[in-house]
Amino acid sequence: QPVLTQPPSASASLGASVTLTCTLSSGYSNYKVDWYQQRPGKGPRFVMRVGTDGIVGSKGDGIPDRFSVLGSGLNRYLTINNIHEEDESDYHCGADHGSGSNFVRVFGGGTKLTVV
Amino acid sequence: QVQLVQSGAEVKKPGASVKVSCKASGYTFTTYDINWVRQATGQGLEWMGWMNAHTGNTGYAQKFRGRVTMTRDTSITTAYMELSSLKSEDTAVYYCAKGRYYDPWGQGTLVTVSS
Repeated sequence: QPVLTQPPSASASLGASVTLTCTLSSGYSNYKVDWYQQRPGKGPRFVMRVGTDGIVGSKGDGIPDRFSVLGSGLNRYLTINNIHEEDESDYHCGADHGSGSNFVRVFGGGTKLTVV
Repeated sequence: QVQLVQSGAEVKKPGASVKVSCKASGYTFTTYDINWVRQATGQGLEWMGWMNAHTGNTGYAQKFRGRVTMTRDTSITTAYMELSSLKSEDTAVYYCAKGRYYDPWGQGTLVTVSS
């Protein structure tokens, strides 16, 4: 099964842009990844799914246009433009693997985004 | 709107069991899977398993097989996750989430295991 790797932390200034990365382990370059936002003290919230051709399907409810994704090789990127204070959150990526009795969902360790 | 509302916080002793409920509303309950994920304080997300809300078929993470049971009552559009033989390491917030995109999530249920 794939391993998803995320940097533990990132920071960005108000109004700036930041790109968060989720890296799939070798051999899983065709996998799609879901991004989730988790504000402090809250449950996760679906942002969007990304494959090698970009977004798959629709964004989650209420996700602003400032959020976009890109996929390249083993990397799945989430970019946030014009950062607002409310974007300060943990961002998790997740992916599905297998089927039937071998199905698993794996998550990365999460990236804590600090808005400075 | 689509909503998942979970049961309240629980405190359990080691060796006991806990059953968390997840009440769904705003959509046809049996059309989507319900997934369960937990998160220990300051840690990442850990997938526990899924349940087909129509058939009741389940799939569990290897780590929890033998200890976790996921069920549902379609008459009240509620899913349940029961974890047995609790250990202190099971202290975490437990979430349910709808469908293949895990959208939306419940508000979470804190389960504390302490003697």
